Amino acid sequence: EAGVAQSPRYKIIEKRQSVAFWCNPISGHATLYWYQQILGQGPKLLIQFQNNGVVDDSQLPKDRFSAERLKGVDSTLKIQPAKLEDSAVYLCASSTPATGAYEQYFGPGTRLTVT
Amino acid sequence: GENVEQHPSTLSVQEGDSAVIKCTYSDSASNYFPWYKQELGKRPQLIIDIRSNVGEKKDQRIAVTLNKTAKHFSLHITETQPEDSAVYFCAARPPYSTLTFGKGTMLLVSP
Repeated sequence: EAGVAQSPRYKIIEKRQSVAFWCNPISGHATLYWYQQILGQGPKLLIQFQNNGVVDDSQLPKDRFSAERLKGVDSTLKIQPAKLEDSAVYLCASSTPATGAYEQYFGPGTRLTVT
Repeated sequence: GENVEQHPSTLSVQEGDSAVIKCTYSDSASNYFPWYKQELGKRPQLIIDIRSNVGEKKDQRIAVTLNKTAKHFSLHITETQPEDSAVYFCAARPPYSTLTFGKGTMLLVSP
């Protein structure tokens, strides 16, 4: 089966600019996650979707970050305006409770550098 | 919310030795504990997981143990090989909640 797809793989922007990331989960996976992974740390959940509804966005900096999953399939994460501390890898993951499994499958990530 | 502490931050072993990575969690309700391996520049991949109804799980050279009373769990890798070199993350998840990851352990296996 095809894995989680993300684009772009790399992005360099200046502070105060905006940027958007795209994720396409594994087909049939109802749950989609966006994580921020700062260098040397573990992934931190930003937002979790169940189909097209938000389950948890408690750690999303809503003054600058937004995410949507309009049709319950692919998703976009936007940052506007970006700050230097937003430099990180943004990981998308998906999962399905269909088999009772808890496993999250991660995409390759988008490495964002804010200068 | 859940808090996960992971030790050590780096671990160097000789090929063939065993490696142990330990994690503690704060929420006694957590019932799912996965371990992910992340090679440099690559995505995290699940290598083993354990649920709170068992105390130990093995898969070839890797095993995970869980002590619910003490709220800690450990990853054991035996007969380490150079290709085991990577960053390993533990995580914990309470029911109807989300995964919280540890900060990671960089494992270096020298030939």
